[in-house]
Amino acid sequence: DAGVIQSPRHEVTEMGQEVTLRCKPISGHNSLFWYRQTMMRGLELLIYFNNNVPIDDSGMPEDRFSAKMPNASFSTLKIQPSEPRDSAVYFCASSLGQAQTEAFFGQGTRLTVV
Amino acid sequence: GENVEQHPSTLSVQEGDSAVIKCTYSDSASNYFPWYKQELGKRPQLIIDIRSNVGEKKDQRIAVTLNKTAKHFSLHITETQPEDSAVYFCAAPNSNNNDMRFGAGTRLTVKP
Repeated sequence: DAGVIQSPRHEVTEMGQEVTLRCKPISGHNSLFWYRQTMMRGLELLIYFNNNVPIDDSGMPEDRFSAKMPNASFSTLKIQPSEPRDSAVYFCASSLGQAQTEAFFGQGTRLTVV
Repeated sequence: GENVEQHPSTLSVQEGDSAVIKCTYSDSASNYFPWYKQELGKRPQLIIDIRSNVGEKKDQRIAVTLNKTAKHFSLHITETQPEDSAVYFCAAPNSNNNDMRFGAGTRLTVKP
């Protein structure tokens, strides 16, 4: 397996634009996590899916953020409209089972909103 | 929900010395405690983990100890090398939702 695959690797967009980040988890993994990493706030959990169902979205900053998992092999994180303070590295991770097993991270998407 | 505190935020040691990073957690039902290493510009990767039925686990130069009564666990790196320089994260599951919460991270610098 190629591991967790995220796209794009880098994204630069203007304030107010819509941004969509994509993630393909490891085949067979049934838990998927979206994290945001910044120097100030570290690794923050945004949302957690189990068997394609959102279980905990308490970390989603505000209504501008939304995430979907239409099937077991694909998830998206959308920001609309984007703001400069959304600039960060966004990681997707997947695991077999829930939080009691190793989470495998994708390479991340570095988002810059100007 | 789970609250994970990690200390110190930065740690600088001389090559060959030991390094210790500590984490505390709040959810007494948590039973899985992983440590991740993140090198500059790369993704976090698991280096060692421990489950609550053991008190210590070793893997070559790294070890993790767990004190369930006090709700803290520690990462120990012996004979540090420059390639150990990275940010290390502890984590613990939130037993309510089974998601994984991370500590704030420790930036370890090993000086040659």
